[in-house]
Amino acid sequence: DAKTTQPPSMDCAEGRAANLPCNHSTISGNEYVYWYRQIHSQGPQYIIHGLKNNETNEMASLIITEDRKSSTLILPHATLRDTAVYYCIVSLTSGTYKYIFGTGTRLKVLA
Amino acid sequence: EPEVTQTPSHQVTQMGQEVILRCVPISNHLYFYWYRQILGQKVEFLVSFYNNEISEKSEIFDDQFSVERPDGSNFTLKIRSTKLEDSAMYFCASSEVDIILAYEKLFFGSGTQLSVL
Repeated sequence: DAKTTQPPSMDCAEGRAANLPCNHSTISGNEYVYWYRQIHSQGPQYIIHGLKNNETNEMASLIITEDRKSSTLILPHATLRDTAVYYCIVSLTSGTYKYIFGTGTRLKVLA
Repeated sequence: EPEVTQTPSHQVTQMGQEVILRCVPISNHLYFYWYRQILGQKVEFLVSFYNNEISEKSEIFDDQFSVERPDGSNFTLKIRSTKLEDSAMYFCASSEVDIILAYEKLFFGSGTQLSVL
């Protein structure tokens, strides 16, 4: 089973920030938090990852709480093309690296 | 940007037939994966492959499934005798592993939709 909990769906107005929460209360010290998204039935697409510190790249920002039990993915200016299912995944930093996908959050960006 | 390529995009087969799904991972990647997604369900891990052998497989990956890297570029998934319940989108992925920081990013292909009739 996935080690993360996400709301099943969210709406966001175009141009506004989309904040997608994820609960991973059983995360261990050697596990990273990864975010991927899946647009329609395409292959999942990597967005961002983090271990302890907040991270930002050209796609998004990732805020991880100090106790690491939850995180938030922020899309700063959502566009219609950001409509997708967003998956939060925790995975070991060493070993098989297999991902266990949950059901994710279906984000709908509204015009 | 380099990408993982999968062929064919759609495959229709009769129950009991063998199918081979093909993937060309990103050229400098060393870790390869197959996942599948039944319509409306989660993305499920099937198998991981490194250094010409399976490193991990799920319960789904039974004796009917096999993987191969026949040459330096292709990575294939074979289903020996397809069942109706094998109908799904199959995704190949390859990864770029940062050995020092020990994280990896998976790059997924666009998938092969397998329909078993």
